[in-house]
Amino acid sequence: EAQVTQNPRYLITVTGKKLTVTCSQNMNHEYMSWYRQDPGLGLRQIYYSMNVEVTDKGDVPEGYKVSRKEKRNFPLILESPSPNQTSLYFCASSLLALSSYNSPLHFGNGTRLTVT
Amino acid sequence: AQSVTQLDSQVPVFEEAPVELRCNYSSSVSVYLFWYVQYPNQGLQLLLKYLSGSTLVESINGFEAEFNKSQTSFHLRKPSVHISDTAEYFCAVSDGGGADGLTFGKGTHLIIQP
Repeated sequence: EAQVTQNPRYLITVTGKKLTVTCSQNMNHEYMSWYRQDPGLGLRQIYYSMNVEVTDKGDVPEGYKVSRKEKRNFPLILESPSPNQTSLYFCASSLLALSSYNSPLHFGNGTRLTVT
Repeated sequence: AQSVTQLDSQVPVFEEAPVELRCNYSSSVSVYLFWYVQYPNQGLQLLLKYLSGSTLVESINGFEAEFNKSQTSFHLRKPSVHISDTAEYFCAVSDGGGADGLTFGKGTHLIIQP
């Protein structure tokens, strides 16, 4: 089954303890992206990747890192999490970077992160 | 720069009643418009999209949206809603620059009352 898989689904951690949220897609998609969803703010893009070894900042990249060493994986790294990074995170992928055409975004089921 | 405004954060509707979720956008160039739906505890799924051609687009589950260039709107409608339509709906706009140029609205929570 074609899907975007995020792990874990739920994560509670403490301020400053490094964590990684994994994202994997099995559709051979070139484009991958991370979003955070907060009440009243909708979805905001954190980072995106057009292809292997190509990453770029979205609208809210501060405090996050990403890597794209393989086409299928796009982990989100929080080196020193803070409470303001408590949020619902979504990974998404698209066949091509041009989601305007016949390559819509496919989303994972989300990771709910709480930083205390 | 492009932006999307979803005018209602919540829309309560009785089952089998019609509904309209409003979306307005601003962009200095031609746009492509999307509606995504998020069911409880799930990620977003594409509901329908306008790229070009007919200004009225339809989804497989009875929703439709009409692109109105003069009013810069892309409102989502359904003539008769069901309990299963309860979800968060996001309008999104792209200027054609790729998925990195996709801007989402803040979402509208559709609440279906029995």
